[in-house]
Amino acid sequence: ILNVEQSPQSLHVQEGDSTNFTCSFPSSNFYALHWYRWETAKSPEALFVMTLNGDEKKKGRISATLNTKEGYSYLYIKGSQPEDSATYLCAFITGTASKLTFGTGTRLQVTL
Amino acid sequence: DTEVTQTPKHLVMGMTNKKSLKCEQHMGHRAMYWYKQKAKKPPELMFVYSYEKLSINESVPSRFSPECPNSSLLNLHLHALQPEDSALYLCASSQVGQGDIQYFGAGTRLSVL
Repeated sequence: ILNVEQSPQSLHVQEGDSTNFTCSFPSSNFYALHWYRWETAKSPEALFVMTLNGDEKKKGRISATLNTKEGYSYLYIKGSQPEDSATYLCAFITGTASKLTFGTGTRLQVTL
Repeated sequence: DTEVTQTPKHLVMGMTNKKSLKCEQHMGHRAMYWYKQKAKKPPELMFVYSYEKLSINESVPSRFSPECPNSSLLNLHLHALQPEDSALYLCASSQVGQGDIQYFGAGTRLSVL
């Protein structure tokens, strides 16, 4: 059983704050890591697919980094806005299984 | 069009009922997935179809029966469910390729009485 952990479990920040959270995954047999954003009552939406050690991806105010040797990825949000409020899920894929194993998610709430 | 459409949005059924969940995508994706998500837990994979053939069954009880009639449609047939099967059922699709982005529907909220 693969263990994909995310921290913190939840986070409450003020508008304009920058924040980051962590996804930890097994460092062996790595193939890819996905980040998804899931707003309440909507579909989970893919943010990033990360495959190479040292990868850095950016989409607007959101960016992510990947360290496959130590088994972690960081997601950063710069200048949080209320519309960033969502649950952020990471999902891990091994080299031998064509399926995503999701972490438990970080629930972010951004208030004015 | 990057939409995956799931129907119904909500479903309430008794333990003796038979019902079906439906999922549709028109992105030309050849892999489709069913996930189950219980409250405060991550989505858990149930089934994967690749080129309309079942490629992964995560030891799901037989009261859940998937079907992929064509490359755009995915069904999940439900029969004799238990109250503990109450959950959000998510459908997703992707290009066939290990690690491809998955596009999700908004899910069907199922309650089994």
